[in-house]
Amino acid sequence: NAGVMQNPRHLVRRRGQEARLRCSPMKGHSHVYWYRQLPEEGLKFMVYLQKENIIDESGMPKERFSAEFPKEGPSILRIQQVVRGDSAAYFCASSPGQASTGELFFGEGSRLTVL
Amino acid sequence: AQKITQTQPGMFVQEKEAVTLDCTYDTSDPSYGLFWYKQPSSGEMIFLIYQGSYDQQNATEGRYSLNFQKARKSANLVISASQLGDSAMYFCAMREPTGNQFYFGTGTSLTVIP
Repeated sequence: NAGVMQNPRHLVRRRGQEARLRCSPMKGHSHVYWYRQLPEEGLKFMVYLQKENIIDESGMPKERFSAEFPKEGPSILRIQQVVRGDSAAYFCASSPGQASTGELFFGEGSRLTVL
Repeated sequence: AQKITQTQPGMFVQEKEAVTLDCTYDTSDPSYGLFWYKQPSSGEMIFLIYQGSYDQQNATEGRYSLNFQKARKSANLVISASQLGDSAMYFCAMREPTGNQFYFGTGTSLTVIP
């Protein structure tokens, strides 16, 4: 009974490189959310996706960040040309439908360090 | 305005005592959900308890209870009989049905003292 799976758990990149973070939602869940947690802060919403659709990307930076949730395979959060300020924990969460009343199920997070 | 406010950056409690973690929220939507999550040092986010805006009773889950005061827009988490394993960050969150996101507070770091 696997929960939300994120990989890699830890990723180190140099400035200017690309970071790809993957998220496999819980079985039966078709809604995926990405959150970013900066050190000593709470979680900030980035993007909400359903299979093959971006529903809400109001929290995504306009440049360098993109997300997808293809028909087959995990959801990917991609950060191009990383900068030091991108260092953070990136959490993926899933729900079976729009989480209007139910909780989000979180993965263990991917910790990105930009040198 | 902040959607969720947690005013206690850090709290200490003696083992076996009860502790209250404060949370206030801001919304004009009559329908919303309130959540508490625990984040231990290992980093994962663990769901603890949920309160719906129309729920008449305060939510309880084992040693966790939510002191829901709708008029004051507060949703404090009460942990009874604290255990050493309760030491963690605690986040209050809110979900509005008109949006697609959860709003999180900045968290409270709880330390349980033996």
